Amino acid sequence: GEDVEQSLFLSVREGDSSVINCTYTDSSSTYLYWYKQEPGAGLQLLTYIFSNMDMKQDQRLTVLLNKKDKHLSLRIADTQTGDSAIYFCAESKRRDDKIIFGKGTRLHILP
Amino acid sequence: GAVVSQHPSRVICKSGTSVKIECRSLDFQATTMFWYRQFPKQSLMLMATSNEGSKATYEQGVEKDKFLINHASLTLSTLTVTSAHPEDSSFYICSAPVAGEYEQYFGPGTRLTVT
Repeated sequence: GEDVEQSLFLSVREGDSSVINCTYTDSSSTYLYWYKQEPGAGLQLLTYIFSNMDMKQDQRLTVLLNKKDKHLSLRIADTQTGDSAIYFCAESKRRDDKIIFGKGTRLHILP
Repeated sequence: GAVVSQHPSRVICKSGTSVKIECRSLDFQATTMFWYRQFPKQSLMLMATSNEGSKATYEQGVEKDKFLINHASLTLSTLTVTSAHPEDSSFYICSAPVAGEYEQYFGPGTRLTVT
């Protein structure tokens, strides 16, 4: 079956790194995504990684993928107040296929 | 990047009435669109896959007679919530893949409130 799990809350001090973890069950997942949703807003794609990659870095964002353990993480370096949002881990089998979302991790920034 | 719009952005309707939500791809053609529903503080749940020129494919547990989907053109899919009830109040979001791109594009969402 298809299931994506992630912790619901994370509190981080401003300036520290945030690490949001996710596990998925479908071994045929090919595309793994991280989306950001701010209150009352739509979804913003932050980054994605293919299942044949181990790591992807994009400015402050680092995605690590452990395909064997079906574990995905998103690291946000130098966390800022503007990073406060809900972060969704998601997966799909094909580029044009439905996307299965986790429940989202609410990131709270402490001053 | 490509743009997907939704209309309306917010709608309030009375219980028992029907509401139509539009999802448009503005600068590309979309043979497939996806409809999601998001309850407050919850995740996005896929409701159905909208296919241009053919019937939509509904996820398990989604009533196809209640949530009517029409994908009549390559740029427009509509979701009609029939005989709406307060429990249908939710945030409805559509998405569309773009040929040749890895990213799917999401609409800004429609917040439906049924009173």
